[in-house]
Parts: sequence; C-alpha cells; structure tokens
Amino acid sequence: QVQLQESGPGLVRPSETLSLTCSVSGGSINHYYWAWIRQTPGKGLEWIGYIYYTGTTKYNPSLNSRVTLSVDTSKNQFSLKLTSVTVADTAVYYCAREKQLGPFDSWGQGTLVTVSS
Amino acid sequence: DIQMTQSPSSLSASVGDRVTISCQASQDVMNFLNWYQQKPGKAPKLLIYDASHLETGVPSRFSGSGSGKLFTLTINSLQPEDFATYYCQQYDTLFTFGPGTKVDIK
Repeated sequence: QVQLQESGPGLVRPSETLSLTCSVSGGSINHYYWAWIRQTPGKGLEWIGYIYYTGTTKYNPSLNSRVTLSVDTSKNQFSLKLTSVTVADTAVYYCAREKQLGPFDSWGQGTLVTVSS
Repeated sequence: DIQMTQSPSSLSASVGDRVTISCQASQDVMNFLNWYQQKPGKAPKLLIYDASHLETGVPSRFSGSGSGKLFTLTINSLQPEDFATYYCQQYDTLFTFGPGTKVDIK
C-alpha cells in the first residue's frame, strides 16, 4: 500500500515562494504520474499540476506561470514550488498518485499552508 | 475549462436510506468521471472511477452510472460511516472537481 506524506513550511509570507515535498513510501515513484491538489473553503478542490516520474509536467493554466513541479526518483520524492503567493493561496495542499492519468487513487494526509505577513 | 456542478449541495438522510447524488459536466466528458468521499480533516478517498467502476476495497453499496454530461453516485443502504462529503471529478480535459455534496444525518 503506497503512502504519501507532504512536508514543508506551514506559513509563507506574501510574495514569497511556497515549497512542499511529497515523500512516497511503500512503492516506487517510477511509472506513475504524481499530482498536487489544493483545497480551500471558497474554491473547493483545485488541481495544481502533475509530474511523470520522467519529469514530464502539466500544470493548471490558472497557475501555470507560478508553478513548478520536480521529481527526485532517487529519493522517491516529488516537489511543488508556487511563486509570488498571496492570501488566496492559503489552502490545504495534498499530494496524490494518479492512476493511468485519471483518478487520484492515493493521497497524502494534506498540509495546511497559510499565506500571511 | 470544463465546469462541474453537483446536486444537491447537501442532503439529510437516515441509516438504511438509498441516496442519489448527481453530477453534471459543462461539456461531454465521455466516461472520464470519478467519485470521491471526504470526511472532515481527511483527504478525499477514491470510490468510483471511469463513471461506474468500483475502486478496490470500496463496499458494493456504492455505485456509479452515467456518461457524457450526466452522472450519478448511488449509495444503497446508507451506513453510519457514509456520512461525508462526496465529490465528482472529470479528467477528460485536465482535471476539475465538483463543489461537493454533503451527506449528513437526518
């Protein structure tokens, strides 16, 4: 049973960069797509982007200019960077595994990131 | 962008009831539609993929149907652990989630 765990700062200042890492255990990061999804009370669940283990990425057009995903297969980890954050980026951030570029079949527990000065 | 809507936004039901939740896409998504269950403070859990396929380990009282723009999640004989929020999600074009349907106890 694969397990995912998000890690990173819970507080980010406005205009700075949000950085999170997802550690995958109980299975290999290879041969899968991996995603970041966030949730807010106002906008609900929002897909941020995905990365294949080879490094191929796809981003939500609404965030495209600010998002970068990366993968480190040697560490079985993938990461999210979101630049120029505002209070609107305050959310619970989840990492997840995509089954065949479709459903998200495994999720991390989520981590709350607050953007505030 | 493909927009997803769900109805109702919330409902109250009793243990043993049959519950039906609807999901509508703003354009045809074929059968690229998934359903998730989320409990407070927890991550969403995949229930149904490709509109009607039950994820491994999910009880058979959950079922999904539909194609194109209209989809339905049905819970037969609602159990205490089923009180939660349910989301649909399309993946025909990128990924979009519905706003959710909260099922609470009557």
